[in-house]
Amino acid sequence: NAGVTQTPKFRILKIGQSMTLQCTQDMNHNYMYWYRQDPGMGLKLIYYSVGAGITDKGEVPNGYNVSRSTTEDFPLRLELAAPSQTSVYFCASRRHSNSGNTIYFGEGSWLTVV
Amino acid sequence: QKEVEQDPGPLSVPEGAIVSLNCTYSNSAFQYFMWYRQYSRKGPELLMYTYSSGNKEDGRFTAQVDKSSKYISLFIRDSQPSDSATYLCAMLGQGGSEKLVFGKGTKLTVNP
Repeated sequence: NAGVTQTPKFRILKIGQSMTLQCTQDMNHNYMYWYRQDPGMGLKLIYYSVGAGITDKGEVPNGYNVSRSTTEDFPLRLELAAPSQTSVYFCASRRHSNSGNTIYFGEGSWLTVV
Repeated sequence: QKEVEQDPGPLSVPEGAIVSLNCTYSNSAFQYFMWYRQYSRKGPELLMYTYSSGNKEDGRFTAQVDKSSKYISLFIRDSQPSDSATYLCAMLGQGGSEKLVFGKGTKLTVNP
């Protein structure tokens, strides 16, 4: 049981390039989330998904896209990368349960756009 | 008004001190309240989880929720240098609000 796995851990992009951050969880969780974390700004929700085939925008969705074709995978796509997207990105998942809602985070992906 | 407010600090205390971390919120739909600890260059890890009002204790950590005041707290007793981290409060609604909302985090340093 690996939990939530994010790749890559570090990446440098040039302005205008595109890339996909991968996120996989092996806990059969229905909810998955993508956050970005900027220094001193906490975690801001980019997109989330309540199950396969269903996604919704969070607080800061502009410049990003997601898909959820399977329960396990929730990739985050950056189109036309901009310096403002330099950040640390965290993927998370949880299983809805009346007895608890523990959210598990990946280790993070450090992205620099130059 | 932001949904969740948390003083970013930084907060610096001597080893052995009692630490009090707090968050306020505006959305009365929040039902689940969590505290996460985040070490530098790592993902957040769950420390405490509470549902509705009241206190919950786990070792040196106590989480307190006052829904009438929309105020939550995390107390750390006998603080240790290993407690030095950023602490984030997080909240989740029930029945329609599936977004987990975080505070900005409070950076804590415990000095030996």
